[in-house]
Amino acid sequence: RKEVEQDPGPFNVPEGATVAFNCTYSNSASQSFFWYRQDCRKEPKLLMSVYSSGNEDGRFTAQLNRASQYISLLIRDSKLSDSATYLCVVKYSSASKIIFGSGTRLSIRP
Amino acid sequence: DTAVSQTPKYLVTQMGNDKSIKCEQNLGHDTMYWYKQDSKKFLKIMFSYNNKELIINETVPNRFSPKSPDKAHLNLHINSLELGDSAVYFCASSQELAGFDEQFFGPGTRLTVL
Repeated sequence: RKEVEQDPGPFNVPEGATVAFNCTYSNSASQSFFWYRQDCRKEPKLLMSVYSSGNEDGRFTAQLNRASQYISLLIRDSKLSDSATYLCVVKYSSASKIIFGSGTRLSIRP
Repeated sequence: DTAVSQTPKYLVTQMGNDKSIKCEQNLGHDTMYWYKQDSKKFLKIMFSYNNKELIINETVPNRFSPKSPDKAHLNLHINSLELGDSAVYFCASSQELAGFDEQFFGPGTRLTVL
């Protein structure tokens, strides 16, 4: 089993839809969690950190479920510009390990 | 001004050659990283330096040697290049290694080994 797993997609949804995807991690020592976004042929950029209590940033909501060892990303009212690959990132508490998921491709259609 | 810059952007070379990729950050960060993203888009950390000290050294062939002359620079030298080294290499930096510090990535260096 991979340490960090994501559904590769692609998710193909119409503009305005709500879409959600999960990322599971296997090591309970994991402490810091993030969602990064990567556009085609570009570098990854931080979308949001994921805090224990869950957090929201505009149309984006991130949740952490430590008991089931997964994080989620919800995108409401999706825009064409949301089309990208979303990477889940997990850091271990010792900070000596950082693992990126393989990414979930999202495509928003008009 | 570009926060994290890498040179070259593209690198095409023959098998067996030695090449270097340079990375510089002007964010004043203490931590820098090298990542490899292969053809399946899987992004994997290779090395991390904190204040010029090697912190993370994943299972990477010893043909890959990072060098940090100062906090703002982390270069990657690759000896005896192999076909499987073809990938996009990203440099990144963050203020700290632990916690929720954002990593800022460079634009990537697309390495093609023929």
